[in-house]
Amino acid sequence: EAGVVQSPRYKIIEKKQPVAFWCNPISGHNTLYWYLQNLGQGPELLIRYENEEAVDDSQLPKDRFSAERLKGVDSTLKIQPAELGDSAVYLCASSLIQADIQYFGAGTRLSVL
Amino acid sequence: AQTVTQSQPEMSVQEAETVTLSCTYDTSESDYYLFWYKQPPSRQMILVIRQEAYKQQNATENRFSVNFQKAAKSFSLKISDSQLGDAAMYFCAYRAPWDMLTFGGGTRLMVKP
Repeated sequence: EAGVVQSPRYKIIEKKQPVAFWCNPISGHNTLYWYLQNLGQGPELLIRYENEEAVDDSQLPKDRFSAERLKGVDSTLKIQPAELGDSAVYLCASSLIQADIQYFGAGTRLSVL
Repeated sequence: AQTVTQSQPEMSVQEAETVTLSCTYDTSESDYYLFWYKQPPSRQMILVIRQEAYKQQNATENRFSVNFQKAAKSFSLKISDSQLGDAAMYFCAYRAPWDMLTFGGGTRLMVKP
């Protein structure tokens, strides 16, 4: 069974540029999560989807961050414009339902110069 | 809000020896779940072990076991017969039913040959 797939693995951009991250969850998993992991810290939830609906996006900085999960499968997280402080690892996870175990992808490491 | 604290930023263990990683949490809930995740340099978070708070018996997965002290709100991870492949960041995490996963700050485990 394929795990959670994220791309790209690494992304280097200049500040004020846009950037997008892609996540393909485990097949059949209805719940999808995006996390932000700063260096030396634990992941923090940005947004949670139940199928195609964003049900918890209270931690998502909506002035520059956006996310979508069309058709309730793949998801894209976008930052526009990127700031120096956005340099971090962005992790995607999925679970069958919200109460189930979360499985993580390998993340995208973003460096904003 | 729930908080998870890992007081050991770094730990070191000799190969084949035993090491214990500490975790404490704060909650007013009586029913919840606790997890230990491993994050190797590849960045993918891997579930090591899970404990349901209503179960008094400590969870065990091969060389990994936990010491769950509900009254003390303590959840430590014991790794027996440490192997080089155990070297990674270890994150303790808490989740109340139908709530978000909250991570601690992590402990870096080094395994000396």
